[in-house]
Amino acid sequence: GESVGLHLPTLSVQEGDNSIINCAYSNSASDYFIWYKQESGKGPQFIIDIRSNMDKRQGQRVTVLLNKTVKHLSLQIAATQPGDSAVYFCAENTGGFKTIFGAGTRLFVKA
Amino acid sequence: DSGVTQTPKHLITATGQRVTLRCSPRSGDLSVYWYQQSLDQGLQFLIQYYNGEERAKGNILERFSAQQFPDLHSELNLSSLELGDSALYFCASSPRSENTEAFFGQGTRLTVV
Repeated sequence: GESVGLHLPTLSVQEGDNSIINCAYSNSASDYFIWYKQESGKGPQFIIDIRSNMDKRQGQRVTVLLNKTVKHLSLQIAATQPGDSAVYFCAENTGGFKTIFGAGTRLFVKA
Repeated sequence: DSGVTQTPKHLITATGQRVTLRCSPRSGDLSVYWYQQSLDQGLQFLIQYYNGEERAKGNILERFSAQQFPDLHSELNLSSLELGDSALYFCASSPRSENTEAFFGQGTRLTVV
């Protein structure tokens, strides 16, 4: 069935360190991927996206890497801050109209 | 503030009842999506509408239905409610129908007792 999964359910990092959140997707036809951040009590918020014709995309303090060979997606957060503490979801779209979300990884940032 | 408004924020109802959740998309967005988020299943895609028409269906139960009105707001109707329907229900909107980021509302927390 359709599935987008995450390797680690929780990640704890020290403030100032870099964070890497990983995601495996199952549908090789997926051509658009998104990372969302969800803070407690709020809806998911778009962070960054990447299309399948790219391997890397950078935003402000965030980088998404896409490895289509092994169907793997990662989100790198530089100089992690306490405000980065949240649940992070990867999501995939196969060019159709529905976006499938992964299970989520909870990021804890220690001061 | 994403610009997507969901009402009500909280809803408590009994098993067997029917409820309606409402969503107003961002101004100008034509697509509306509904997701269910429960503790053990993450975000589950339910259904998508684009400019008033159903575009995609996910894991939506037959007891659930949705529609998008001419003014582009959407409603999700949940009937014959069961305890397992307790969850956060999110609405999201986007300007296009595919391959685009979505903007999420704050969600409606439904508790079925």
